[in-house]
Amino acid sequence: AQSVTQLGSHVSVSEGALVLLRCNYSSSVPPYLFWYVQYPNQGLQLLLKYTSAATLVKGINGFEAEFKKSETSFHLTKPSAHMSDAAEYFCAVSADSSASKIIFGSGTRLSIRP
Amino acid sequence: EAGVAQSPRYKIIEKRQSVAFWCNPISGHATLYWYQQILGQGPKLLIQFQNNGVVDDSQLPKDRFSAERLKGVDSTLKIQPAKLEDSAVYLCASSIQGSYTFGSGTRLTVV
Repeated sequence: AQSVTQLGSHVSVSEGALVLLRCNYSSSVPPYLFWYVQYPNQGLQLLLKYTSAATLVKGINGFEAEFKKSETSFHLTKPSAHMSDAAEYFCAVSADSSASKIIFGSGTRLSIRP
Repeated sequence: EAGVAQSPRYKIIEKRQSVAFWCNPISGHATLYWYQQILGQGPKLLIQFQNNGVVDDSQLPKDRFSAERLKGVDSTLKIQPAKLEDSAVYLCASSIQGSYTFGSGTRLTVV
């Protein structure tokens, strides 16, 4: 069965600093991995997804994530945080590229300090 | 393109009452999902429809929750009777070819 673990329920960084949100996955088959963002009182928006092509995946709003099979990780990064990045971020895994069933992590709340 | 529409946005009910949520997916999206998101947790899949058929309802508490998708378009999720632990945001999503679109959700508070 697939699952993801997000390390750190809350991360706080200064504006302009590096953002690093950690995600480790467990999957018995080659996984497809996703990062979603949720702004207050809104639905989930896809940031990026890994589907077994390039291991470094670039997404929207300057975010990127690197798939590391040896570490079973898919951490999300952004070189320079902006105030508008404050939101809840969810890592997710699916067993197939059609994402017929997505399993979400518990989420990491990102706060940005001025 | 219009997004996934959900109503109501907020609902407060007393325990043991019933409640219903409505979802209108993106036109042409055959797959529809209902997720439950409890505060501080990630969304948990309750039920998945493909057109008007149920694909997966293994996580749906069937003694109190029910869902239908008549004509393969709109869907309703019902809780009867509600418990305090049902307080959560209920998200509807639709997908096509692996691309998901989520609605803004219905925030349910059971008191």
